[in-house]
Amino acid sequence: RKEVEQDPGPFNVPEGATVAFNCTYSNSASQSFFWYRQDCRKEPKLLMSVYSSGNEDGRFTAQLNRASQYISLLIRDSKLSDSATYLCVVTRALSAGNKLTFGGGTRVLVKP
Amino acid sequence: NAGVTQTPKFRVLKTGQSMTLLCAQDMNHEYMYWYRQDPGMGLRLIHYSVGEGTTAKGEVPDGYNVSRLKKQNFLLGLESAAPSQTSVYFCASSSWGAGWEQYFGPGTRLTVT
Repeated sequence: RKEVEQDPGPFNVPEGATVAFNCTYSNSASQSFFWYRQDCRKEPKLLMSVYSSGNEDGRFTAQLNRASQYISLLIRDSKLSDSATYLCVVTRALSAGNKLTFGGGTRVLVKP
Repeated sequence: NAGVTQTPKFRVLKTGQSMTLLCAQDMNHEYMYWYRQDPGMGLRLIHYSVGEGTTAKGEVPDGYNVSRLKKQNFLLGLESAAPSQTSVYFCASSSWGAGWEQYFGPGTRLTVT
């Protein structure tokens, strides 16, 4: 079983709609969680950190469920520019080398 | 600031050839990383470094070597390339002062025939 699993998609989303997807992680010792965004043939970039109480950044909302070991990302009012692959990332300890474990990514396609 | 840069951007090797990928960062980050990305596999950590002169193995280190002689540079070497090493290679750096966000370079697309 992969340590971090994501539905690869693609999620085809009409412009203006809401889309949500989850990521599950297997290691209960995971401490920190992130969503990275990767555009086609580009490098990953940090989208947002995921906090225990959930957090929002504009149209993006991230949630963490430690009991069920998953994190989620919700995108409201989708824009064409939101089309990308969203990578779920977990780490056990930021200070111990900051080694990140990446999921395979969820592809989102926003269409007019 | 240029951030994280990688050289070369593309390379084609024949099986058994060797090459070195160069990563440079100008953000004074302590930590640097080399990942490979294959379709459906996500990014997998090859080697990483927590400071000048130190390196450590990641998840998939076999067939690769690294060196960090200067804080700003992290080199990834393939001594004898194999077709299984065809991939996109990303370098990244991070630091406590930057909130531990990993900043990635633009990637190197390597094909081994």
